[in-house]
Amino acid sequence: RKEVEQDPGPFNVPEGATVAFNCTYSNSASQSFFWYRQDCRKEPKLLMSVYSSGNEDGRFTAQLNRASQYISLLIRDSKLSDSATYLCVVNIADSSYKLIFGSGTRLLVRP
Amino acid sequence: GAVVSQHPSWVICKSGTSVKIECRSLDFQATTMFWYRQFPKQSLMLMATSNEGSKATYEQGVEKDKFLINHASLTLSTLTVTSAHPEDSSFYICSARANRGSNEQYFGPGTRLTVT
Repeated sequence: RKEVEQDPGPFNVPEGATVAFNCTYSNSASQSFFWYRQDCRKEPKLLMSVYSSGNEDGRFTAQLNRASQYISLLIRDSKLSDSATYLCVVNIADSSYKLIFGSGTRLLVRP
Repeated sequence: GAVVSQHPSWVICKSGTSVKIECRSLDFQATTMFWYRQFPKQSLMLMATSNEGSKATYEQGVEKDKFLINHASLTLSTLTVTSAHPEDSSFYICSARANRGSNEQYFGPGTRLTVT
């Protein structure tokens, strides 16, 4: 079983749509959680950290359910520029600070 | 702030040669840097953790004698792909963790290696 699992997609949605991505992680010792965005042939960029209380940044809302080991990302009012691969990332609670990446979910927003 | 650079951004080399990739934290000190590899349509796979002044810690399945890592200062780590082969062609990305106790990592722009 992969440590971090995501639906690879692609999710093909029209502009203005709301889209949700899910992610599960296997290690209950995971401590920190993130969503990264990666454009084609570019490095990943931090979109937002994810907290148990849930957090929102503009059109993006992230949720964490530690009991279910489940993370979600909601994008409202999708823009063409949101087209990218969204990576679910966790950090294990040890001294290594290693990040474990999911395989990513590809989003295509069409006009 | 928190800018990480990589050099070169792309490189083409012949099979059997060695290639060195540099990763620099430009405006912060990084005790720990990480090296990843990403094949097409796959996610980032951690290759090794590089700690300043000590030996790198390699992930399972990564040959330490083939992928030499040096982290001589708090702002520079290098990855040398020795005796490169076509199957080493990939996107190599480094990241750096700032010395602030945060788990956040800052990624370099990546180096695309093509071995012919």
